[in-house]
Amino acid sequence: EAGVVQSPRYKIIEKKQPVAFWCNPISGHNTLYWYRQNLGQGPELLIRYENEEAVDDSQLPKDRFSAERLKGVDSTLKIQPAELGDSAVYLCASSLWDSGNEQYFGPGTRLTVT
Amino acid sequence: AQSVTQPDIHITVSEGASLELRCNYSYGATPYLFWYVQSPGQGLQLLLKYFSGDTLVQGIKGFEAEFKRSQSSFNLRKPSVHWSDAAEYFCAVGKNTGGFKTIFGAGTRLFVKA
Repeated sequence: EAGVVQSPRYKIIEKKQPVAFWCNPISGHNTLYWYRQNLGQGPELLIRYENEEAVDDSQLPKDRFSAERLKGVDSTLKIQPAELGDSAVYLCASSLWDSGNEQYFGPGTRLTVT
Repeated sequence: AQSVTQPDIHITVSEGASLELRCNYSYGATPYLFWYVQSPGQGLQLLLKYFSGDTLVQGIKGFEAEFKRSQSSFNLRKPSVHWSDAAEYFCAVGKNTGGFKTIFGAGTRLFVKA
């Protein structure tokens, strides 16, 4: 079984530039999560999807961050414009059903904003 | 508000020695509890989880954890550490109220010396 796929693995951009991250969850997993992990910290939820619906985006900085999950499968997370403080690892995870089941994480995208 | 505390930022143990990683949580009801491991450059992998029942939980890679309600703790243990166990370990607590949400601790980095 293929795991959660994320791309790119690394991204270096200058501040004020846009950036996008892509995630392909495990086949059949209807719940998809985007997390941000700052250096030396645990992951923090940005947004959670149930199929194509964003059911929890309370922690997403909506002035510069956006996300979509068309057709309830792949998802894209975008930052525009990026700021220095956005440097972090962006993790995507999926789960089979959203009631405490375990989450499967992708390898993450390490973003560096210069 | 729920929270997770991992008191040890890093721990060093000798190969073959026993290991205990501490985790304390704050949550009003019986939580869902998890331990994840993250190797360098990788996503998080679930080691074990506790939802209910037996308070001693067995996980993968020889790990176990014990839920102690009176101490609000969920410590991770392994009787004999291998060099390949060197990684970052995250304790997490989940709640299922109006949708499932997982809060991660800041992590404990484990170093294994020969």
